[in-house]
Amino acid sequence: DAGVIQSPRHEVTEMGQEVTLRCKPISGHDYLFWYRQTMMRGLELLIYFNNNVPIDDSGMPEDRFSAKMPNASFSTLKIQPSEPRDSAVYFCASSLLGQSYGYTFGSGTRLTVV
Amino acid sequence: KNQVEQSPQSLIILEGKNCTLQCNYTVSPFSNLRWYKQDTGRGPVSLTIMTFSENTKSNGRYTATLDADTKQSSLHITASQLSDSASYICVVSEPPDSWGKLQFGAGTQVVVTP
Repeated sequence: DAGVIQSPRHEVTEMGQEVTLRCKPISGHDYLFWYRQTMMRGLELLIYFNNNVPIDDSGMPEDRFSAKMPNASFSTLKIQPSEPRDSAVYFCASSLLGQSYGYTFGSGTRLTVV
Repeated sequence: KNQVEQSPQSLIILEGKNCTLQCNYTVSPFSNLRWYKQDTGRGPVSLTIMTFSENTKSNGRYTATLDADTKQSSLHITASQLSDSASYICVVSEPPDSWGKLQFGAGTQVVVTP
């Protein structure tokens, strides 16, 4: 299995622009998670989906952030408009219900907003 | 206040030496405790997972211990190698076991020098 695949690996954008991050979970996994990692705050859960349905988005920092999962093999995290404080590494992870050991992270997208 | 505290924040060790990382948590009840290794520019990778009834778990040169009474865990690295240079993150999972919120520590940055 190729694991959790995220794209792009790096993104540099100007303040005010729209940014879209993409994630392909492991085939067969039914949970998908979006995290943000910064030096100051470590890893923070933004939102997670179960069977493509958003379950908890309480970690989404503000309305500029939105996430979708149109099917079992694809999810996006969108920031519009982006701000310099959004600069971070964004991770996607997936897991299989009832199998704690299946929790797998992608390699992340490093976002820089200038 | 973070419910998972790790120490030290960073450490430097000579190749071939042993080291021990500490994790104290206040999450209660908890479902399981995990140690992750995060290489620079990569996503976290699971090293060990222990339930509250387990007190030790090994993965090659990595050995994790858990004292559920004192709410402490440690990760011991034996005969360190240059490839052990990474951030090590302690993660405590809240019940239910199938899906419970993960509480992340800030990580310990380990640098192994020749």
